[in-house]
Amino acid sequence: GENVEQHPSTLSVQEGDSAVIKCTYSDSASNYFPWYKQELGKGPQLIIDIRSNVGEKKDQRIAVTLNKTAKHFSLHITETQPEDSAVYFCAVNAGGTSYGKLTFGQGTILTVHP
Amino acid sequence: DAGITQSPRHKVTETGTPVTLRCHQTENHRYMYWYRQDPGHGLRLIHYSYGVKDTDKGEVSDGYSVSRSKTEDFLLTLESATSSQTSVYFCAILQEQNTEAFFGQGTRLTVV
Repeated sequence: GENVEQHPSTLSVQEGDSAVIKCTYSDSASNYFPWYKQELGKGPQLIIDIRSNVGEKKDQRIAVTLNKTAKHFSLHITETQPEDSAVYFCAVNAGGTSYGKLTFGQGTILTVHP
Repeated sequence: DAGITQSPRHKVTETGTPVTLRCHQTENHRYMYWYRQDPGHGLRLIHYSYGVKDTDKGEVSDGYSVSRSKTEDFLLTLESATSSQTSVYFCAILQEQNTEAFFGQGTRLTVV
């Protein structure tokens, strides 16, 4: 089955700096790559996603890049703010018979210091 | 919140007792999922449903069963709870038009 590795497990940055979280996956058939943000006591919230026919996608301060050849994708957060502090998860879906089923990375605890 | 309600939000139960968690959605989505979240593992799929009475196993289905008798409700049952099933359980729905998944607020289950 699909295997997703996420790094780093913890990330500490100063307010205004950039943060980058990387995930690698194993199934070359995977075609959908969402990122979730989880705040304490809440469910994961979709913040951005990318599909296999696109190399990069941006939404204000966040962006995701995808390298299908190397089977990795990354979340980039620029101009970080204290409210960006949360746990971030990458996920992968292979489509086909795996339609809608997500395989998650282990999570990254991001702390933004004021 | 994509109209997802999980109940209960917190539960403490004893080893060997049956437990049922409920996921209720108000937007008529066909696909629903149950995940568990444990430190170091992210979220792992337990079971999923692709319609009324249509369910299938996920990655970590042992010890769990599900039922979906109505579109809006997806139930997760632990027939005989064990301490290894202490976890946070999340329900999710799939928006088919864009394959985006949205999660409920979670149920924290403690088996003592």
